[in-house]
Amino acid sequence: DTGVSQNPRHKITKRGQNVTFRCDPISEHNRLYWYRQTLGQGPEFLTYFQNEAQLEKSRLLSDRFSAERPKGSFSTLEIQRTEQGDSAMYLCASRRQGNNEKLFFGSGTQLSVL
Amino acid sequence: GESVGLHLPTLSVQEGDNSIINCAYSNSASDYFIWYKQESGKGPQFIIDIRSNMDKRQGQRVTVLLNKTVKHLSLQIAATQPGDSAVYFCADAPDSWGKFQFGAGTQVVVTP
Repeated sequence: DTGVSQNPRHKITKRGQNVTFRCDPISEHNRLYWYRQTLGQGPEFLTYFQNEAQLEKSRLLSDRFSAERPKGSFSTLEIQRTEQGDSAMYLCASRRQGNNEKLFFGSGTQLSVL
Repeated sequence: GESVGLHLPTLSVQEGDNSIINCAYSNSASDYFIWYKQESGKGPQFIIDIRSNMDKRQGQRVTVLLNKTVKHLSLQIAATQPGDSAVYFCADAPDSWGKFQFGAGTQVVVTP
């Protein structure tokens, strides 16, 4: 257990529905990252936060995706109008600010869109 | 664009032998590297890291080697055990913001 907690572990939804995932980072980590991983591939960067500020969003993050970290602690990732292509593992990670700080991942949320 | 990649998709190794997993990176600005282990259905687990001002770092049964001249990274696992069976990723951070880039991974299969 790395200390990064993600809920739910699994989510099955029908196409067109909205889903929301939650990530609780390690408490002293002010940087939080979302990645997406499909089968047989490495994680792909989606977005990241420093405290409550969202600093960058990948081109992978279409306008159906939104992420928040309202109080600089936990974060949520929402996907609206899900599509089958959204099926993937959504990983959250956190680290301290600074150079050469380790990045720790949660166990991920496996999304299946039917 | 620049990316981190791995040479082999699958590595089969006999229990007790040493494993060597290779990784090539292309971003010359990368100054921090991490190796992760990922078991099925789980998130990536930190194994060992190395900074660009080092060429070797050792952990428990693992050693990471960095060759900046040819932009190559390797992970050596000594006396490979069945519990080492997993996918291994290298990741690099091109700046201090920690936006790590990952390759596709190498599947390590340990045979008895």
